[in-house]
Amino acid sequence: GIQVEQSPPDLILQEGANSTLRCNFSDSVNNLQWFHQNPWGQLINLFYIPSGTKQNGRLSATTVATERYSLLYISSSQTTDSGVYFCAVDNTGNQFYFGTGTSLTVIP
Amino acid sequence: KAGVTQTPRYLIKTRGQQVTLSCSPISGHRSVSWYQQTPGQGLQFLFEYFSETQRNKGNFPGRFSGRQFSNSRSEMNVSTLELGDSALYLCASSRQGNEKLFFGSGTQLSVL
Repeated sequence: GIQVEQSPPDLILQEGANSTLRCNFSDSVNNLQWFHQNPWGQLINLFYIPSGTKQNGRLSATTVATERYSLLYISSSQTTDSGVYFCAVDNTGNQFYFGTGTSLTVIP
Repeated sequence: KAGVTQTPRYLIKTRGQQVTLSCSPISGHRSVSWYQQTPGQGLQFLFEYFSETQRNKGNFPGRFSGRQFSNSRSEMNVSTLELGDSALYLCASSRQGNEKLFFGSGTQLSVL
């Protein structure tokens, strides 16, 4: 299967700070998504981004498929951004491989 | 539009028992996939169904099985439960499979 590595594994930020999360993958993919898992376990889809750049409010993501990585940017972080961020990739059409996640804690 | 609904939210079983988990996808979504999440192994793919057919299966023993009904609702079954089956089981739906995934809140299974 595809190996997915996320960095950093843990991140602690002061409220209002910016951050960049990285996702590297070992094979070509045709689907890449970013998720946020809240403290109650719910996985929220942030971006469907197999290539290019997208923005949604304070969040943006960029995927460079040819170089096998994706970046998630969080600007002006808030305490509600705390949780675990996962990157998931797929090249078969129906089986996603997840990274081990980045655990983010935003301190007021 | 209602999201992905998983029932039950919590489940406690003992070793050797079997369990059935249910997932109702978003209306119009025909693909349902299941994932197991544990602290040690992270999120791992179990299987994916589309139009009542299993299209893909992850690397799990045969004790893990599933099915999908004509209304796209899906169930997964785990027989002869082991302590290591304790996990959060997550269901996701999408229109065709290779698109944006939407997850349910999960079923937290504890095996004693």
